[in-house]
Amino acid sequence: TQLLEQSPQFLSIQEGENLTVYCNSSSVFSSLQWYRQEPGEGPVLLVTVVTGGEVKKLKRLTFQFGDARKDSSLHITAAQTGDTGLYLCAGLIGNTGKLIFGQGTTLQVKP
Amino acid sequence: NAGVMQNPRHLVRRRGQEARLRCSPVKGHSHVYWYRQLPEEGLKFMVYLQKENIIDESGMPKERFSAEFPKEGPSILRIQQVVRGDSAAYFCASSLGGGNTEAFFGQGTRLTVV
Repeated sequence: TQLLEQSPQFLSIQEGENLTVYCNSSSVFSSLQWYRQEPGEGPVLLVTVVTGGEVKKLKRLTFQFGDARKDSSLHITAAQTGDTGLYLCAGLIGNTGKLIFGQGTTLQVKP
Repeated sequence: NAGVMQNPRHLVRRRGQEARLRCSPVKGHSHVYWYRQLPEEGLKFMVYLQKENIIDESGMPKERFSAEFPKEGPSILRIQQVVRGDSAAYFCASSLGGGNTEAFFGQGTRLTVV
């Protein structure tokens, strides 16, 4: 059974602080996707990382895929209240499109 | 995730009734996936379908649950004789296929069994 461990599960920080969310697995994934989900809505794709060691930036968000394609991290610089939400990592199994999701990180950014 | 349409958004069923959840994928997408999300948990894969074919149903309970994606019309997730434990948010995602596996999600159907 492939598992994706995401940490921390909950994070409450002040506006302006930095934070990092981690996704770890013993399995190798074809790619890894990061989603953000608002209450009552579906997950929205933020980024896909494919190559081991790959780093992608999306404004204040930096995504990294581990060299062995087993782990990933999301780093947010100078968090804003608008970053509040649930962040999900999901590993792609083979080329089927089937995703294995982490448990999610609930981020609260306080003003 | 624009384009994946799920309905209804909210569904209330009494124990023992049937629930039918519909999903229209992004136009041009031929691959559909269903996921279930329980409160305070991540999404769990249920089933993967292509037009008229079930490719992988390893995450779907063997009893009471079925899914289809007909040649014409939306994909349907059907839950027969619902129980309280079926209460969850059910999300549909679609992808283009042909090597492009980026999945776009609908807004989900929140099923409540009373």
